[in-house]
Amino acid sequence: ILNVEQSPQSLHVQEGDSTNFTCSFPSSNFYALHWYRWETAKSPEALFVMTLNGDEKKKGRISATLNTKEGYSYLYIKGSQPEDSATYLCAFLNRDDKIIFGKGTRLHILP
Amino acid sequence: GAVVSQHPSRVICKSGTSVKIECRSLDFQATTMFWYRQFPKQSLMLMATSNEGSKATYEQGVEKDKFLINHASLTLSTLTVTSAHPEDSSFYICSARKIQGRTEAFFGQGTRLTVV
Repeated sequence: ILNVEQSPQSLHVQEGDSTNFTCSFPSSNFYALHWYRWETAKSPEALFVMTLNGDEKKKGRISATLNTKEGYSYLYIKGSQPEDSATYLCAFLNRDDKIIFGKGTRLHILP
Repeated sequence: GAVVSQHPSRVICKSGTSVKIECRSLDFQATTMFWYRQFPKQSLMLMATSNEGSKATYEQGVEKDKFLINHASLTLSTLTVTSAHPEDSSFYICSARKIQGRTEAFFGQGTRLTVV
């Protein structure tokens, strides 16, 4: 059974603080790991596509790391802003082109 | 950009009727589109993979006669929930990948289906 776990399920962070959360995935048959941001009433949008062990990607204040050998990825947000409030989804793709989503981490930024 | 448009965003239908949901890639061609269902507080569950010009591939446990998928062109896939029942009430969302390869998915806005 392929399982993708995200933790925590929900997170409240004070504006200006930094935060991070985790995506755990199978370490075998790995092809890619995607991170998406899903704001309320909008479509999920891709943040990062990561394929190589040790990958680190950055987009503005958001960055992500990837460890395919142990099967985890971290997403970091530096200096949280209200617009960062969203659900962050990770998705694991294997070499058979099967995609499995985690349940997401719901991030709330407190003013 | 890559825009995927999904309609309707909300639909309420009577039990026993059928509902069609459309997913269109507006500015790119998508040989493959995906249909997901999300129950409250659960992850997006892949229902089926829709390939242009061929039959959809359904995930285990998804009834193909219940959830009819048609992918008639490189920009349009439809999901029809046939003879809908209250237990079919859920959030359905589509995504598409660009023709070039296994890149990130571009999602539609989702459809909230309520069967009464």
